[in-house]
Amino acid sequence: EPEVTQTPSHQVTQMGQEVILRCVPISNHLYFYWYRQILGQKVEFLVSFYNNEISEKSEIFDDQFSVERPDGSNFTLKIRSTKLEDSAMYFCASQEGAAGLQFFGPGTRLTVL
Amino acid sequence: GENVEQHPSTLSVQEGDSAVIKCTYSDSASNYFPWYKQELGKRPQLIIDIRSNVGEKKDQRIAVTLNKTAKHFSLHITETQPEDSAVYFCAAPRRGSGNTGKLIFGQGTTLQVKP
Repeated sequence: EPEVTQTPSHQVTQMGQEVILRCVPISNHLYFYWYRQILGQKVEFLVSFYNNEISEKSEIFDDQFSVERPDGSNFTLKIRSTKLEDSAMYFCASQEGAAGLQFFGPGTRLTVL
Repeated sequence: GENVEQHPSTLSVQEGDSAVIKCTYSDSASNYFPWYKQELGKRPQLIIDIRSNVGEKKDQRIAVTLNKTAKHFSLHITETQPEDSAVYFCAAPRRGSGNTGKLIFGQGTTLQVKP
């Protein structure tokens, strides 16, 4: 069964550094999302992406964040200058159609020191 | 507003007993309600969902019920097993532009099934 994949599984970085988190959504899916989960808390929406543009973003998704779908398969989340409070698990999700279900990737654990 | 409330936050049951987790939502336009199971350090895994035009759905030991009038939906797990132990999240979609639907998650329920 096709699954969403993410790399790396764990990323450790210094405060102020840029990080790029990568996702490969399920191949025939059209809607893409990034969520984050701070340890022990619920999953929070960051951004949705459809038709090669951002559809919606949350308050968390400030100017330090950006997303890209550089080719037909990858979907990336970039954090330009990481802060300590960016430490969290970042999940990518994809959805086949507007009424479809969202399937999550295994996540990238980001640790900002 | 965007709110999904989930109760209880923790639930401990004996193996073989039933477990019930309840959620309420605020957005009347939500048209489906997924449940995710998350084991420690793993992805949220979709286990069942219910569409807004259905009152109940069952899949083996798992069932979900929906009361649209009251904006309540519940997860029922029967004959619980130790491997059911995990954090369970309910969610409701919030329609955005481009027809994307971000999921608003509940706070999660940590289910412990004691052998």
